[in-house]
Amino acid sequence: GAVVSQHPSRVICKSGTSVKIECRSLDFQATTMFWYRQFPKQSLMLMATSNEGSKATYEQGVEKDKFLINHASLTLSTLTVTSAHPEDSSFYICSASRQGSNQPQHFGDGTRLSIL
Amino acid sequence: KQEVTQIPAALSVPEGENLVLNCSFTDSAIYNLQWFRQDPGKGLTSLLLIQSSQREQTSGRLNASLDKSSGRSTLYIAASQPGDSATYLCAAPTGTASKLTFGTGTRLQVTL
Repeated sequence: GAVVSQHPSRVICKSGTSVKIECRSLDFQATTMFWYRQFPKQSLMLMATSNEGSKATYEQGVEKDKFLINHASLTLSTLTVTSAHPEDSSFYICSASRQGSNQPQHFGDGTRLSIL
Repeated sequence: KQEVTQIPAALSVPEGENLVLNCSFTDSAIYNLQWFRQDPGKGLTSLLLIQSSQREQTSGRLNASLDKSSGRSTLYIAASQPGDSATYLCAAPTGTASKLTFGTGTRLQVTL
């Protein structure tokens, strides 16, 4: 199997708070992890790609100081939304893939972030 | 830059009907193409992955085809059931092989 666990599933917090979301590969080593954002009734938009032990590569228009990504081990990546504001409210989904080209991505269940 | 389009955006069919969902992509230099299912407020469930060397893949009542030359893929669902109601997304790699570009999805409703 290839199970990816994402935690928490739901976060509600006040504006200005920093929120950390965890993405874990439970039964495989994930050399690459991806973070996506999804607005209501829209598709997934890639935010950044992280490789274990390296700095994340951010997509155009995504603020790296706003969305801090750490991928310190082969089974864990974290996304921290710093000083979150209501416009950061969204559904965040991570995925993980094994080493090698042409590897499928396995997705977590997502985190619903609501900033009041 | 890869662009992925899905048609129709929404579809409602009575239970038991066979149906086809369409996906088109602009960059045909892909390693594979994936179809996913997403239930409301949930993450993605991988349905089928077609390698570039394959023309189709089957899993139960689902059959996905891939025509790289025309930049198209279809997802065929046989004998639809109410439990098939969900949003179906296709995704194709873009740039480097590992990055995925998603289509906007087809929202399927199967009625009793």
